[in-house]
Amino acid sequence: DTAVSQTPKYLVTQMGNDKSIKCEQNLGHDTMYWYKQDSKKFLKIMFSYNNKELIINETVPNRFSPKSPDKAHLNLHINSLELGDSAVYFCASSQASVNEQFFGPGTRLTVL
Amino acid sequence: GQNIDQPTEMTATEGAIVQINCTYQTSGFNGLFWYQQHAGEAPTFLSYNVLDGLEEKGRFSSFLSRSKGYSYLLLKELQMKDSASYLCAVRGRQTGANNLFFGTGTRLTVIP
Repeated sequence: DTAVSQTPKYLVTQMGNDKSIKCEQNLGHDTMYWYKQDSKKFLKIMFSYNNKELIINETVPNRFSPKSPDKAHLNLHINSLELGDSAVYFCASSQASVNEQFFGPGTRLTVL
Repeated sequence: GQNIDQPTEMTATEGAIVQINCTYQTSGFNGLFWYQQHAGEAPTFLSYNVLDGLEEKGRFSSFLSRSKGYSYLLLKELQMKDSASYLCAVRGRQTGANNLFFGTGTRLTVIP
């Protein structure tokens, strides 16, 4: 199936740990994104990335870093996890010439 | 920066019409989007407006007034499955980016 996929779906970890969330899209899109949705359901852009440019939302701590091994993947690495990092993280992708962004199913991160 | 306001919750009756309003203030504007998000699921694209006026797509319509910084989503012939959060999002005008800035969403409950 063509889609945006994320792994894992659930991630429970201790404060201070380092973790990664993987995202893959097989839609042939040229831009990928990471969003954070907090407990109040507020969806906030963290990063957008195409082959040429990484745009970082200025409010994102530098403990968060996106890594793109190829244009179909944009993984999210988080260092020194904190309680406030608990949220649902959504990956999305789009094609520059098309307005719609396609979202992955989300990864629920719980930091204990 | 971006400031996007929507009502937090709304309730409407099955078969009725409901209008969800969104007001925005942005440092640059390059389109307004509406997304639907069912509980525990990913947001899915509903509509896009970049010019003033009404865009109709089946039971859903979206309106934009750029001079007023105002949009609404109109849902007709409400069905129980329309119970979801509706997210208004504005795209900023940034070179090479398609970043969306979301409002906090309006949780719509459709009652029999």
